Amino acid sequence: GENVEQHPSTLSVQEGDSAVIKCTYSDSASNYFPWYKQELGKGPQLIIDIRSNVGEKKDQRIAVTLNKTAKHFSLHITETQPEDSAVYFCAASGGGGTSYGKLTFGQGTILTVHP
Amino acid sequence: DTEVTQTPKHLVMGMTNKKSLKCEQHMGHRAMYWYKQKAKKPPELMFVYSYEKLSINESVPSRFSPECPNSSLLNLHLHALQPEDSALYLCASSQHAETGISPREQYFGPGTRLTVT
Repeated sequence: GENVEQHPSTLSVQEGDSAVIKCTYSDSASNYFPWYKQELGKGPQLIIDIRSNVGEKKDQRIAVTLNKTAKHFSLHITETQPEDSAVYFCAASGGGGTSYGKLTFGQGTILTVHP
Repeated sequence: DTEVTQTPKHLVMGMTNKKSLKCEQHMGHRAMYWYKQKAKKPPELMFVYSYEKLSINESVPSRFSPECPNSSLLNLHLHALQPEDSALYLCASSQHAETGISPREQYFGPGTRLTVT
């Protein structure tokens, strides 16, 4: 089955800096890669996603890049703000035999943005 | 609107109790999911319902019993739980969950914080 590794596990930045979180996946058939933000006491919130026919996608301060050959994808947050502080999860889906929608998650990154 | 609602927000139950968690969405989604999340860990898939039929059970113990009364509602019936079942239970929905079709976005509810004493 699919395996997703996420790094780093914790990330501390100053307000205004950029933050980058990286994930690698094992199943070359996976074709959908969402990113979720989870604040304390809340459910995961879908913040951006990318499909395998696209190399990069941007939404305001958030961007995601995908390298299918290397089987890795990254989340980039620019001009970080304290409200960006949360746990971020990457996920992969659509791999062979599992495209019933199962998301395989990375272990999460705790992002702290210091004012 | 991408809202999934869950009730109750918090639940404390003894090991001999029977309780139910409820989830609702009005996005017209035909796939609904139950996940379990322990502290500092990612969500773990438990069940997938597709077009109101149970399509996936990820080897979940029978003390957890899902039910999908209609396309908007999803329940999780709990009976004879163990303290290690204490966790955040998340419901999610998506347009579909069909094999062979590109996955659709999954939207999560806020979760039910369950404590088993």
